[in-house]
Amino acid sequence: DAKTTQPTSMDCAEGRAANLPCNHSTISGNEYVYWYRQIHSQGPQYIIHGLKNNETNEMASLIITEDRKSSTLILPHATLRDTAVYYCIVRGENNDMRFGAGTRLTVKP
Amino acid sequence: DSGVTQTPKHLITATGQRVTLRCSPRSGDLSVYWYQQSLDQGLQFLIHYYNGEERAKGNILERFSAQQFPDLHSELNLSSLELGDSALYFCASSVALGSMYGYTFGSGTRLTVV
Repeated sequence: DAKTTQPTSMDCAEGRAANLPCNHSTISGNEYVYWYRQIHSQGPQYIIHGLKNNETNEMASLIITEDRKSSTLILPHATLRDTAVYYCIVRGENNDMRFGAGTRLTVKP
Repeated sequence: DSGVTQTPKHLITATGQRVTLRCSPRSGDLSVYWYQQSLDQGLQFLIHYYNGEERAKGNILERFSAQQFPDLHSELNLSSLELGDSALYFCASSVALGSMYGYTFGSGTRLTVV
């Protein structure tokens, strides 16, 4: 699976959009981009995933660049409860989900 | 409630002992995955079972073993426990093989070895 690079930490003001970047320059054509988050010591929570097109659900939007070498997770209106570690994972066919260090997002009042 | 059930939630045991962690996957899910997360460490993939068969191994120690039963629940057995085995152990499930299917995680078992 392609490796991902994420900033170690980010801050965001409550009520503003949180934009979390992820670089995956070696991604292959059949590899999906997944985003999970982990709040404190809870189990990781699925947020969104995509292959080529941008995706949106009730939690977030995923913007994937046309060359697929990077993506951005957007939380449109961050709340204090969105403070968590966010993981960007590139997953190939039949390969297991491997988590990196992620980005620690702190939402501040 | 994610639908993935892990028991027990907390476990305290002594060095040298053996413990069994249990995971019931979400209804209909055939794959079960086990992860270990030590203090301030990332999630380390241990092992994957699909419909009773072992599919992949990650950083799993020889002292650790797992199995998936016909009813699809899974158990992770940890033996000859050491202080360094203290960690959160997460189980996840997915409906099928294939990278288009995401995982659903349980709330974990916190193991403390004293």
